Amino acid sequence: DQQVKQNSPSLSVQEGRISILNCDYTNSMFDYFLWYKKYPAEGPTFLISISSIKDKNEDGRFTVFLNKSAKHLSLHIVPSQPGDSAVYFCAASAYSNYQLIWGAGTKLIIKP
Amino acid sequence: GAGVSQSPSNKVTEKGKDVELRCDPISGHTALYWYRQSLGQGLEFLIYFQGNSAPDKSGLPSDRFSAERTGGSVSTLTIQRTQQEDSAVYLCASSLAGSLGEQYFGPGTRLTVT
Repeated sequence: DQQVKQNSPSLSVQEGRISILNCDYTNSMFDYFLWYKKYPAEGPTFLISISSIKDKNEDGRFTVFLNKSAKHLSLHIVPSQPGDSAVYFCAASAYSNYQLIWGAGTKLIIKP
Repeated sequence: GAGVSQSPSNKVTEKGKDVELRCDPISGHTALYWYRQSLGQGLEFLIYFQGNSAPDKSGLPSDRFSAERTGGSVSTLTIQRTQQEDSAVYLCASSLAGSLGEQYFGPGTRLTVT
């Protein structure tokens, strides 16, 4: 039973446009959400996070939106750059538990 | 080095053999995590260390899997009597205690059991 779902295995976006990566979760106990980025042959790197007390967190070109009622979060990248091409993982946790539950990832391809 | 390192980077082993995977966390990071990523899947939590203690081993897939951490630093994940379904990339991460979000990952060990 997947508690964190990334339903799009891949996404292709034109350079300069907005990339929107989606993530859905089922466990209402989750209250902390993270996005990681992974290049081939490297470990994931932390990108941005959001706690359930907020509905938006912004860091440069990256913004994460959280809709708790829909149990949905999204990562927006504006403008998209070629270096953004990578696999993006959504992960979730409850503050009382250090375990991160991960989605299967979305491969983002930025076209020049 | 400044980051998390793992060795070996690749390991091919025959079914039934034992393997040891090593993780060197970032100096000063008291928390250490092992994950497994199978093809097309997300990361699967295996075990978490706080210092040398592993308060939660529930993610280990079977009793063939064990892990230890010594001196609050290096950790070893051991898989005994490997099976083909153990083939995956094994990732190690470390973090400062309490910094759940910012886990710093190593490059992983790709294990192939033939």
